[in-house]
Parts: sequence; C-alpha cells; structure tokens
Amino acid sequence: GDSVTQMEGPVTLSEEAFLTINCTYTATGYPSLFWYVQYPGEGLQLLLKATKADDKGSNKGFEATYRKETTSFHLEKGSVQVSDSAVYFCALLNTGGFKTIFGAGTRLFVKA
Amino acid sequence: EAQVTQNPRYLITVTGKKLTVTCSQNMNHEYMSWYRQDPGLGLRQIYYSMNVEVTDKGDVPEGYKVSRKEKRNFPLILESPSPNQTSLYFCASRPPGLAAYEQYFGPGTRLTVT
Repeated sequence: GDSVTQMEGPVTLSEEAFLTINCTYTATGYPSLFWYVQYPGEGLQLLLKATKADDKGSNKGFEATYRKETTSFHLEKGSVQVSDSAVYFCALLNTGGFKTIFGAGTRLFVKA
Repeated sequence: EAQVTQNPRYLITVTGKKLTVTCSQNMNHEYMSWYRQDPGLGLRQIYYSMNVEVTDKGDVPEGYKVSRKEKRNFPLILESPSPNQTSLYFCASRPPGLAAYEQYFGPGTRLTVT
C-alpha cells in the first residue's frame, strides 16, 4: 500500500542554519504531496504542496520539489528561525483523492 | 472565520464508558476525516466521509464508529473505549474531488482512557 517515510528527529539547528528534512514515498498512480506543520498545542496546517512531478511547492521560505524519479519530496529552508520550531509532516493524497497518508513527523528545534 | 471545531479538547475516561467526540466545520466541505496521532506513528486515518451518509474505513477503524447525518458534523464514537485508544485525535475537512485541496484540521482532542 501507499506509504510515506521521513527522517527521524529531533533535528536541532542554530538560527540561520540550512534545513533539510527528507521525505520519500511509495504510491501507485499520481499522488499529490504535502508538507504540514504542527506548532505546539495546535492542529496541523498546510505548509506547501505539489500536485505533479517536477512541481515545486513553496511558502514562508520553505520549498520542496516533487521528484518522481526518486519518489522524494524533501523539505528545505535556507535560513531557519526560532519560530520555525515545530513538528513537520510529509503526506501524500492518493490518486483517488480520498486518503491522505502521513509520515511519522520530524520535530525541529531551532536555537537562538 | 472558517474553521473546524472539536469538543471536548481534553477528556479522561474509564474503560468501557461510551463517549462521543464532536467535529463541526463551517466551510461547507463535503469531505471530512478523523485521524489519531501517536508518537512515532504520525497521523493515521480512522474513518472518512465523502459526503452526507457516505462513510468508509481508514487504516485503523477498529473500536470506532462515525456518522454523517449533516454536512457540517462528523462525530467520532467510541462505544467501549480501551486504554489503547488513548491518543490525540484530529478531525479534518476539505473540498472533494481529485484536485489537491489542503485539509483543514481541528485543534485536536486529547483522550486518556484508564
């Protein structure tokens, strides 16, 4: 079945460091891919998305490119801030559009 | 304000005592879904609903029931809760169809079953 694998955390970085969180997926057909972010005590909110191969999603300085050849959707940010500390989830929406599969989540800590 | 609301936000109960967690959205979304979040496992889908009176099982439906009698509400029912259902629960909604619409999540309900 469809699945999402993302790097284990926690990831601890200093402010202004470069961030990469790896995400790979297994799916049939043509899934859409998402990154969601969860701040402490809150629900998930969409960070960015990509609907087809080679699409790049971007938002708030974060970006990720849908790579079908490597089945990956790695999240990157050039310069993290303390306010980016949160849990990040990679997810796919299956081709039928009715099921979203989430990765286990990666907790990011950014130190001032 | 467009939102998904859940109640209660926190609940401590005992094994076997039936409970319902309510979920309501004001965005006229047809699709709604319930997830549970457990450490190291991410979010796992319990049930989803494509529209009123249309529901289907997700990946972990055992021990849960749902109903969808109106578009805005999608309650999660635990008829006989057990300690392994202690978890953080999220309700979500989105427009239907094949387009990659984002899901809108509620604030979560933390359930403890003793």
